Amino acid sequence: DAGVTQSPTHLIKTRGQQVTLRCSPKSGHDTVSWYQQALGQGPQFIFQYYEEEERQRGNFPDRFSGHQFPNYSSELNVNALLLGDSALYLCASSGPEGLYEQFFGPGTRLTVL
Amino acid sequence: QKEVEQDPGPLSVPEGAIVSLNCTYSNSAFQYFMWYRQYSRKGPELLMYTYSSGNKEDGRFTAQVDKSSKYISLFIRDSQPSDSATYLCAPIGPYGQNFVFGPGTRLSVLP
Repeated sequence: DAGVTQSPTHLIKTRGQQVTLRCSPKSGHDTVSWYQQALGQGPQFIFQYYEEEERQRGNFPDRFSGHQFPNYSSELNVNALLLGDSALYLCASSGPEGLYEQFFGPGTRLTVL
Repeated sequence: QKEVEQDPGPLSVPEGAIVSLNCTYSNSAFQYFMWYRQYSRKGPELLMYTYSSGNKEDGRFTAQVDKSSKYISLFIRDSQPSDSATYLCAPIGPYGQNFVFGPGTRLSVLP
């Protein structure tokens, strides 16, 4: 049973560019959440998707947007990249049997130059 | 005041020691209290969680919540070098809202 997978593993972009990160949830899970983790900090909640709709959103600007597909996979898009967007982006999935039990992927390391 | 606070460490202990990791929070609406372990360059993994106040034990790990003082603890008995990681607490609201993580405590268990 594959866990949560994310792609790409690493990414280098320059300021002002746009980036798309991808996530496939754990089998049987229908809810996907995205987090940003700066070095030495805990993950910060960006948003959560369920039934292809954004259900909750953290304190992140509109430059951060997402999408969930019918197969429950998800994308995180960040526009107009800033140096401060450099971080580990984590995807977590959960299912109907345990909304609070989030399983995390390995993350995508984004570096903005 | 931050919503969730943890001592960042690093905390270094000898193998076999009992470790106490602590977390405080400010939002009284939190009902579920999660503990995650994160190894370097990996995503967090859920260790255990408790609902409301009380204790929960799972092997060498015990989670304790005191809602009256908004204080959460994770105890690790007979600590092993493989327990060396960052430990993150994450309280959650009653409907699965407010996913807030603490900054994490870095633990190093020395052989």
